[in-house]
Amino acid sequence: AQSVAQPEDQVNVAEGNPLTVKCTYSVSGNPYLFWYVQYPNRGLQFLLKYITGDNLVKGSYGFEAEFNKSQTSFHLKKPSALVSDSALYFCAVRDIGSYGGSQGNLIFGKGTKLSVKP
Amino acid sequence: KAGVTQTPRYLIKTRGQQVTLSCSPISGHRSVSWYQQTPGQGLQFLFEYFSETQRNKGNFPGRFSGRQFSNSRSEMNVSTLELGDSALYLCASSLRDGSQETQYFGPGTRLLVL
Repeated sequence: AQSVAQPEDQVNVAEGNPLTVKCTYSVSGNPYLFWYVQYPNRGLQFLLKYITGDNLVKGSYGFEAEFNKSQTSFHLKKPSALVSDSALYFCAVRDIGSYGGSQGNLIFGKGTKLSVKP
Repeated sequence: KAGVTQTPRYLIKTRGQQVTLSCSPISGHRSVSWYQQTPGQGLQFLFEYFSETQRNKGNFPGRFSGRQFSNSRSEMNVSTLELGDSALYLCASSLRDGSQETQYFGPGTRLLVL
């Protein structure tokens, strides 16, 4: 079964320092991976996705993620954190259907709370 | 272009009642998915619709149902509400139903069951 794991419940970073939010995945077939961010009392905002191609994916708000097939990881990164980046971050993977093909719904990790202090 | 809209934003119901939530996708988007978010279970998939057809369903009891209209707007219904149904219900739309499509989420409907 498809799954993603976010091993850290919370990540604390000082403003201006680089940040990494970790995600590992377990999939059958091609991994279609996504990162979303959720601010308090808001829905999820799309940051970036990996479908195929370059292992380094650039997304919104200066975020990027590195796809590593050998380590089955898709860590989210940003070179210089902002206080406004404080939020809940979710890694997600496409589910697969009964016939083995990818289908529409996303399977989410439990989320990582990012706290950036001034 | 307007984003995904969900109504109502907040709702309070009592056990045993039923509730209907509405979602309007981004203009031109034909696929709508619903998710339930709770502190304990996280984000869980409910169902997915494309061109008025349910394409996929998550592991929820039959009290949870949904539909999609010809204009791509979608509704979900929960009958015989239980306390555990208290959650943030998120709707997401995408242009098509392909696996590489990005899903864009609405702000959610927060349901409280008393």
